[in-house]
Parts: sequence; C-alpha cells; structure tokens
Amino acid sequence: DTGVSQDPRHKITKRGQNVTFRCDPISEHNRLYWYRQTLGQGPEFLTYFQNEAQLEKSRLLSDRFSAERPKGSFSTLEIQRTEQGDSAMYLCASSLGGGGAINIQYFGAGTRLSVL
Amino acid sequence: AQKVTQAQTEISVVEKEDVTLDCVYETRDTTYYLFWYKQPPSGELVFLIRRNSFDEQNEISGRYSWNFQKSTSSFNFTITASQVVDSAVYFCALAMNYGGSQGNLIFGKGTKLSVKP
Repeated sequence: DTGVSQDPRHKITKRGQNVTFRCDPISEHNRLYWYRQTLGQGPEFLTYFQNEAQLEKSRLLSDRFSAERPKGSFSTLEIQRTEQGDSAMYLCASSLGGGGAINIQYFGAGTRLSVL
Repeated sequence: AQKVTQAQTEISVVEKEDVTLDCVYETRDTTYYLFWYKQPPSGELVFLIRRNSFDEQNEISGRYSWNFQKSTSSFNFTITASQVVDSAVYFCALAMNYGGSQGNLIFGKGTKLSVKP
C-alpha cells in the first residue's frame, strides 16, 4: 500500500537559491494539495490541483512560488529566490475528488526546508 | 470567515488518564466537514475522523471518541485511558465544499499532548 510520497525529506539552501520539491500522491487520487506548516502552527493551505488543473491558490502563494502537476500524477512545488521566511515544512496531501463530498486527505511526511 | 480554534496549546497527563481536546470552529456555511488529525514526532499527519455538518451523532472508535455539537460549534476529541503512544500534536480542521474551495483544510494551531508513564 503506497501512501503519499514526498522528496526530499529535508532541504537546506542558501537565501536566494531556487528549490523544487516533489510529491507523488496515492495513485488513484485525482486531487492534490500543498500546505505549509511553520513551527508551532497548523498547516496552511497553499494550492490544489484536480488532475492537472490548478484550481485554487492561496494568498500565501507569492509569485516566487509555482506548482505544477503536468500529467495529473506527481506534482512539483518550486520556490524561487528563497527567503529565510520560507523555512517551513511543506506538506502534500491527496484525495479522491468529486461526488459532492469532502473526501479524506492523506498526507505525506513532508519536506522540511531550511533557508540559511 | 472560517476559523478553527484549539485553545489548549499543551496538555500533559499521566498514562491511563482520560483527556479531552477541545475544538471550536467558525463558519457561516451550513454544509461543512470537520476532521481530526494526529501528528506524531515523525511529522506525518495521520487521519483520525471526518464528520459532516449534518451528522451530529457522536462517534466512538476504541479508546477515541468525538463529541460534535453544532449548537456550540464544537467538535471535541476524548482519549480514554491514554497511553504513551498517544503523545503527539492533534489538529482539528474545517473544510467547505463550494465554488473553488474544494475541500482545502483550515487547521487549528494544534494541541500538543504528552502522556507520561
């Protein structure tokens, strides 16, 4: 049983560098979500995809952030020109979509980003 | 605006004690879903329960139980006979299903539960 997989688990970068994270959802799940979690806080929604379409973006997602899900399977989240304030855990979740209900989101273990 | 409040930042209990984690939510929508997730030290969020706004029945699953009261906008979580393995951060979350907001979760700040042997 393969759950949501995220890579890398940890990333240390210098301010100003670009970083990219990958998320592989549960295979039959058509919805994919990205969240950001800072220390002592709950996760905050960033963006979500239904299949390959990015349907919603949070105001938290500045123009330095971009997410893609090119074939409706895995997704990438890129942060350009990283800032120290970007240091956080980036969580990916997937779910089945449609049917009028809010389905359960299953989370990956996250990518912890540290910007020096 | 939608909001979830978990007023208890940290709770410490001794093994076998019962403990209740509080969750209060705010929404003007009549259709919504509530969730509880557990985040152990490993970091991965583990789903515990989903409840929709039309189902106010309380639920019990083993040592876990949930009390949903729309009148007070609360969805509290009780662990009976706590164990050391219950030590984690517990998050309550709210989701709506309208327009573009297709289920993104609004989380509280979490309650850190420490169960001591």
